[in-house]
Amino acid sequence: EPEVTQTPSHQVTQMGQEVILRCVPISNHLYFYWYRQILGQKVEFLVSFYNNEISEKSEIFDDQFSVERPDGSNFTLKIRSTKLEDSAMYFCASSPNGQGGGNTIYFGEGSWLTVV
Amino acid sequence: GDSVTQMEGPVTLSEEAFLTINCTYTATGYPSLFWYVQYPGEGLQLLLKATKADDKGSNKGFEATYRKETTSFHLEKGSVQVSDSAVYFCALQGYNQGGKLIFGQGTELSVKP
Repeated sequence: EPEVTQTPSHQVTQMGQEVILRCVPISNHLYFYWYRQILGQKVEFLVSFYNNEISEKSEIFDDQFSVERPDGSNFTLKIRSTKLEDSAMYFCASSPNGQGGGNTIYFGEGSWLTVV
Repeated sequence: GDSVTQMEGPVTLSEEAFLTINCTYTATGYPSLFWYVQYPGEGLQLLLKATKADDKGSNKGFEATYRKETTSFHLEKGSVQVSDSAVYFCALQGYNQGGKLIFGQGTELSVKP
């Protein structure tokens, strides 16, 4: 069964460093997403991406975050200058379309980011 | 804004016990409702979903019914197994909100033999 893959599975970085989390969405999907889960808290939506541009973003997704689809298969999340509070599990996801009404979102296994 | 509230965990049950995990929501319009499951060391997997009132989603022995009058989508299973041990997330998707999911806080289930 096709799946969303993410790398790295775990990254430790120093505060202030840039981090890039990588994802390969399911090949025929058109919409891509990033979510995060701070330990012990809810899974939160960060951003959705379609046709090479952001379609929606949450208030969490501020100027230190950016997303990119650098080629036909990868989808990346960049955090420019990491803070301690960015420590979280980051989930990449994809879906065939971007509509509501029961559109199933497929998630990767997550990238655990620890900022020290 | 839209929100989802789940019963707090962890929930510990013996094998073959009956499971209920409560989920209630607040939303405008007519959201779709989902249960996702996260097994240890794995990502979020769709367990079941329902897209309109009175729909019942079911999969792997789990069921949940979309109750508009009580704004609920409780997850049930008649007889749990050790392999059901996981974290369960209730989520909603607004009708006009594309793929964005709003999650509850997750409920950890531990099933003992």
